[in-house]
Amino acid sequence: ETGVTQSPTHLIKTRGQQVTLRCSSQSGHNTVSWYQQALGQGPQFIFQYYREEENGRGNFPPRFSGLQFPNYSSELNVNALELDDSALYLCASSSGLAGGIGGELFFGEGSRLTVL
Amino acid sequence: SQQGEEDPQALSIQEGENATMNCSYKTSINNLQWYRQNSGRGLVHLILIRSNEREKHSGRLRVTLDTSKKSSSLLITASRAADTASYFCATRPQAGTALIFGKGTTLSVSS
Repeated sequence: ETGVTQSPTHLIKTRGQQVTLRCSSQSGHNTVSWYQQALGQGPQFIFQYYREEENGRGNFPPRFSGLQFPNYSSELNVNALELDDSALYLCASSSGLAGGIGGELFFGEGSRLTVL
Repeated sequence: SQQGEEDPQALSIQEGENATMNCSYKTSINNLQWYRQNSGRGLVHLILIRSNEREKHSGRLRVTLDTSKKSSSLLITASRAADTASYFCATRPQAGTALIFGKGTTLSVSS
C-alpha cells in the first residue's frame, strides 16, 4: 500500500465524451505525475504537477489537462475521448521534483478507462 | 516516447533459477530505477541506481549500470512464483524531470 488512491477504479465512456480521474497523493508529497499505460505497453508520461503548477508534459494533445489542488491531490481531465484513449491511467506522487531522497515514485492502483 | 528498452520482452523460468533483465536507454541520465507491476495493478519501486554508481544490491535484487553503454541489468536470484510480474526500467534524464519508462519484461516463474 503506497497511500496513493485513485478513483474511479474502472469506467466506461463513449467516444466524444469527457472524463475526470482523481488522485489523492501520499501524505507529505507535493508532486503528482500522471501516466497512461496501454495494454502490453510501458507507462507513458502525460504531465507532472509540482505545488499546483504543471511542470513538464509528455507528448499528449491539449485535450489532456490536469489540476493540482492546495492539498496536492490532482485531477486528470480528458476531453473528446477517442478509442485509443482506452488504457490504465496511473497517478504517482513523490516529494519534490526529483522524487525526494529516494528518487522514487509511489503509484496508485490506477483507473481503467474503456472508450467504446 | 520510450526512453528505455527492456530485453527480453518475456522470460519464463523455474522456481529457484535466476532471472536477468536488461535495459538500454538513449540519453544521459541522472538515475535509473526498476519497478515491478503485477497484472493490471500499480507499479512498485524496487531499486534506484544513480549515474555515478555501477552496482547496487537489495535483498535478492542486483542492479548494474554501465553509462558508457547506456545499459542496465536487473538480476533476481533464487526466483519464486511470487516474482511473476512485469518489470520496467525507468530513467530520469535530469534531476527534476519526469521519469520515463520502458516497455517492460514479463517474467513468469513456475513452481
